[in-house]
Amino acid sequence: GESVGLHLPTLSVQEGDNSIINCAYSNSASDYFIWYKQESGKGPQFIIDIRSNMDKRQGQRVTVLLNKTVKHLSLQIAATQPGDSAVYFCAENKGNTGKLIFGQGTTLQVKP
Amino acid sequence: DTEVTQTPKHLVMGMTNKKSLKCEQHMGHRAMYWYKQKAKKPPELMFVYSYEKLSINESVPSRFSPECPNSSLLNLHLHALQPEDSALYLCASSQVGAKKETQYFGPGTRLLVL
Repeated sequence: GESVGLHLPTLSVQEGDNSIINCAYSNSASDYFIWYKQESGKGPQFIIDIRSNMDKRQGQRVTVLLNKTVKHLSLQIAATQPGDSAVYFCAENKGNTGKLIFGQGTTLQVKP
Repeated sequence: DTEVTQTPKHLVMGMTNKKSLKCEQHMGHRAMYWYKQKAKKPPELMFVYSYEKLSINESVPSRFSPECPNSSLLNLHLHALQPEDSALYLCASSQVGAKKETQYFGPGTRLLVL
């Protein structure tokens, strides 16, 4: 079946360190992926996306890497800050229906 | 501006009540979505509207009734809910046409059914 999953439910990092959040997907036909950040009591916030014709995309302090060979997606956050503490979801945009398939989420905890 | 607004922020209702959740966006998006999110879980799709017409209903019970009065507004009418319906209800919107359109979410309505 199709699924988008994350390797670890919780990731704890020291402030200032880099964070890497991983996601595995099973549908080799998937061609668009999104990372969302959800803070406590808020809705998911778009961070960055990537299309399957790319293997890397950079934003402000964030980088998304896509490895289609092993069906793996990762989000790298540079110089992690306390404000980065949140749940991070990867999501696959499924076909033309607009249906998003979410992973289970990784909670990022930033220690001061 | 990528803002989706939702009202109310919080709602407490009894199982016999009728209430409505509201969502609004002014990004010119023609697709709008309702999601349900339980604690520590990812959002689950409920309904999709495309050009103000219902295009997807993920087998949601009839006690949830969506409505899209115009391209900027989306409502979710609630009636005879059960305690297990307590959750965060999220609205999202996106452009229509290509399968790679990003969905932008509102802050959600936290619903408690007593």
